[in-house]
Amino acid sequence: GAGVSQSPRYKVTKRGQDVALRCDPISGHVSLYWYRQALGQGPEFLTYFNYEAQQDKSGLPNDRFSAERPEGSISTLTIQRTEQRDSAMYRCASSFGQGNSPLHFGNGTRLTVT
Amino acid sequence: KNEVEQSPQNLTAQEGEFITINCSYSVGISALHWLQQHPGGGIVSLFMLSSGKKKHGRLIATINIQEKHSSLHITASHPRDSAVYICAVQGDGGSEKLVFGKGTKLTVNP
Repeated sequence: GAGVSQSPRYKVTKRGQDVALRCDPISGHVSLYWYRQALGQGPEFLTYFNYEAQQDKSGLPNDRFSAERPEGSISTLTIQRTEQRDSAMYRCASSFGQGNSPLHFGNGTRLTVT
Repeated sequence: KNEVEQSPQNLTAQEGEFITINCSYSVGISALHWLQQHPGGGIVSLFMLSSGKKKHGRLIATINIQEKHSSLHITASHPRDSAVYICAVQGDGGSEKLVFGKGTKLTVNP
């Protein structure tokens, strides 16, 4: 497709379950970023990849959160043993990379943990 | 720790007014982004700049590296400009990690 695609659009899960959120970046984009946005707040950095290499994961809140991009294209953000505080909008963005090209954002996955 | 502060938090204007949104940050940066978040939630990149000034249509972004300050201006504002405007900075330490401000909610009334 022409833009960054995220799925699912909405996810409701029970506390303690694992969830996997998918991001399909724009074709040819080297860099892929994951952010989290709580209601009424600005986005918060989680992690980013250049190709398949995870360059910075300093924003992942704890070891229940992990991300991968095994073939340098589609990425999955996994949250294990979800907690209510994990409820947020999870956004993915991609760019041509090298820190000097604009970001293209997906529409996000709204995660609700009950 | 890199802090990004935006002002004002909320801004209401009448159609046609000139709008200025400010962003200040605390550490050296390699780039600064201005983003627009629509009421429906989508985020669009408006500008990415590391020096000087950029213009696109009615939008102008400026940055003063020495002062660690950037401004986003909207000329001849229109109700369709109503959105949240977010400033984000990329540090100069080699990572592409962005630190975001909390956003400025702009409402332009007809």
